[in-house]
Amino acid sequence: KQEVTQIPAALSVPEGENLVLNCSFTDSAIYNLQWFRQDPGKGLTSLLLIQSSQREQTSGRLNASLDKSSGRSTLYIAASQPGDSATYLCAVKEVRGSTLGRLYFGRGTQLTVWP
Amino acid sequence: DVKVTQSSRYLVKRTGEKVFLECVQDMDHENMFWYRQDPGLGLRLIYFSYDVKMKEKGDIPEGYSVSREKKERFSLILESASTNQTSMYLCASSSRVGLAGGRAGTDTQYFGPGTRLTVL
Repeated sequence: KQEVTQIPAALSVPEGENLVLNCSFTDSAIYNLQWFRQDPGKGLTSLLLIQSSQREQTSGRLNASLDKSSGRSTLYIAASQPGDSATYLCAVKEVRGSTLGRLYFGRGTQLTVWP
Repeated sequence: DVKVTQSSRYLVKRTGEKVFLECVQDMDHENMFWYRQDPGLGLRLIYFSYDVKMKEKGDIPEGYSVSREKKERFSLILESASTNQTSMYLCASSSRVGLAGGRAGTDTQYFGPGTRLTVL
């Protein structure tokens, strides 16, 4: 069974820092990988989706990379802001279940950016 | 703008009550999902559905059932609520894509705002 691990579980940084969130998964036969953001008491919002054939995706100050063979992804946040404070979750979709859409989630990294 | 709505943001029920959680999406998505989220345990998949009247068990289906009579609506049912079912419940939907090409990049899961259920 696919297992997704996120490190660190929590991170607290001053505004302006560049930071990296890590995600690892045990089965490299993935269809894609997604990064989500969750604000307290709210649902999840998709940030970036990387197909298995891609190496990275960028959206504004966010850059996500994927190394499928080693089972790792990183989310890079440039010039962090207090508004970036949230929990960030990584999720993978396996190839064999791709048409069913089932994702496997990590437990998230809780990020706090202080002014 | 894509939208997944859930019938209630907050719900308080008593042990033994039958509870219905409703989820509606307006994106004509084939796949719909119910998760629960608990501190320290992350998101856990309860049930999912890949078509009308079709359902699959997730990781923790015990104590729950689901219904999908229409494509846009997916209901989660707690037949007899218990205190250990106190949790945040999240609904999501996504389009179906194939292995060969398909609509790559469009199978993002879209989440509703969640329902915080408390069972007393």
